[in-house]
Amino acid sequence: QKEVEQNSGPLSVPEGAIASLNCTYSDRGSQSFFWYRQYSGKSPELIMSIYSNGDKEDGRFTAQLNKASQYVSLLIRDSQPSDSATYLCAPERGAGSYQLTFGKGTKLSVIP
Amino acid sequence: GAVVSQHPSRVICKSGTSVKIECRSLDFQATTMFWYRQFPKKSLMLMATSNEGSKATYEQGVEKDKFLINHASLTLSTLTVTSAHPEDSSFYICSGNNQLGGETQYFGPGTRLLVL
Repeated sequence: QKEVEQNSGPLSVPEGAIASLNCTYSDRGSQSFFWYRQYSGKSPELIMSIYSNGDKEDGRFTAQLNKASQYVSLLIRDSQPSDSATYLCAPERGAGSYQLTFGKGTKLSVIP
Repeated sequence: GAVVSQHPSRVICKSGTSVKIECRSLDFQATTMFWYRQFPKKSLMLMATSNEGSKATYEQGVEKDKFLINHASLTLSTLTVTSAHPEDSSFYICSGNNQLGGETQYFGPGTRLLVL
């Protein structure tokens, strides 16, 4: 069984701070990685995807990938109360499968 | 772009009845659609993967005769929960994979099923 591990949180950060969300995965065949945000009672919405080692920035979000360490992270700069949600890490199950394995998510709370 | 709708958003039914959930990709063609189930405070669990025009592939432990999936077109997939029981009460979410967009999945808003 392929595993995706995330700290469940809650992770509390003050408004304006940087939130750092971490994820490790066990499937060495994974080549594509996704971060989704899920508000309580809602379905996931895509935040970012990353495919290559290193950093990828999109607005206030930066995804970091290290395939050798099987580690992917998401940084949220200038955190806002509206960022309060559960963040799901989802590696693809092996290259080309198009299937995702979801972690349990990290609950982020941004304190005004 | 990449909008997925689901209907109904919420359904309550009696034990033993069947419930059909529709999933539509509104502005793209979904080569592959996925059905997930999420229990409270748990992660999304993939139930099945369906490709247009072919039989769905079910995850281990998911009964294909209980959860019937039809992917009749590139924009529509349906999940029918047959003979529903209270333990089937959950949040069912579908997603579509854009034919042109690679691995990214776009999720519908989900259907909350309560079986009494």
